[in-house]
Amino acid sequence: GQQVMQIPQYQHVQEGEDFTTYCNSSTTLSNIQWYKQRPGGHPVFLIQLVKSGEVKKQKRLTFQFGEAKKNSSLHITATQTTDVGTYFCAGPGTGGFKTIFGAGTRLFVKA
Amino acid sequence: EAGVAQSPRYKIIEKRQSVAFWCNPISGHATLYWYQQILGQGPKLLIQFQNNGVVDDSQLPKDRFSAERLKGVDSTLKIQPAKLEDSAVYLCASSLGVPRGRLLLRQFFGPGTRLTVL
Repeated sequence: GQQVMQIPQYQHVQEGEDFTTYCNSSTTLSNIQWYKQRPGGHPVFLIQLVKSGEVKKQKRLTFQFGEAKKNSSLHITATQTTDVGTYFCAGPGTGGFKTIFGAGTRLFVKA
Repeated sequence: EAGVAQSPRYKIIEKRQSVAFWCNPISGHATLYWYQQILGQGPKLLIQFQNNGVVDDSQLPKDRFSAERLKGVDSTLKIQPAKLEDSAVYLCASSLGVPRGRLLLRQFFGPGTRLTVL
């Protein structure tokens, strides 16, 4: 079935360092979403990207959608301990309305 | 505004027993989702409702799982009988609108029910 692949699986950073997670699909995605899940919490919506090559910023977070709409990235500048959690990308499934989540990238930030 | 409510928050059962989870979405939200999230994995969609109709249940193990959304508001998910591999967090989410083409809807998640099957 369709999959949305995320790398890396885990990332340990020192507070203040940058962090990037990547999301890749074998098929073209009409749109993509990013969610954050804090440890013990539930996913919280961050952003949705629709246009080819789109770049959106939210404070220290920068989201990109690839030109071919097969990949996306989330970059955090100068990480803080509050950025700890798992970041998921999600894309539409083929032939239906379902949402396919990636396995997520878990971010650890050391103070 | 109140968020998505789920109960119970935790449930421990033995294999072959039955269990039911309840979800009350945000008021006015037409679309409701049930996800299974196994530790260390992303949420996996089990079933998606638009009002009280099912729009996708392709990943629901129908031999043991069932779900309903009577009157298009709250919903229940049932497992009967449970297996060890059903141990997971069951997340309910809702969206204001209804699906249009393949454009994803913003989803609001509830706190989840952590199920342990012994």
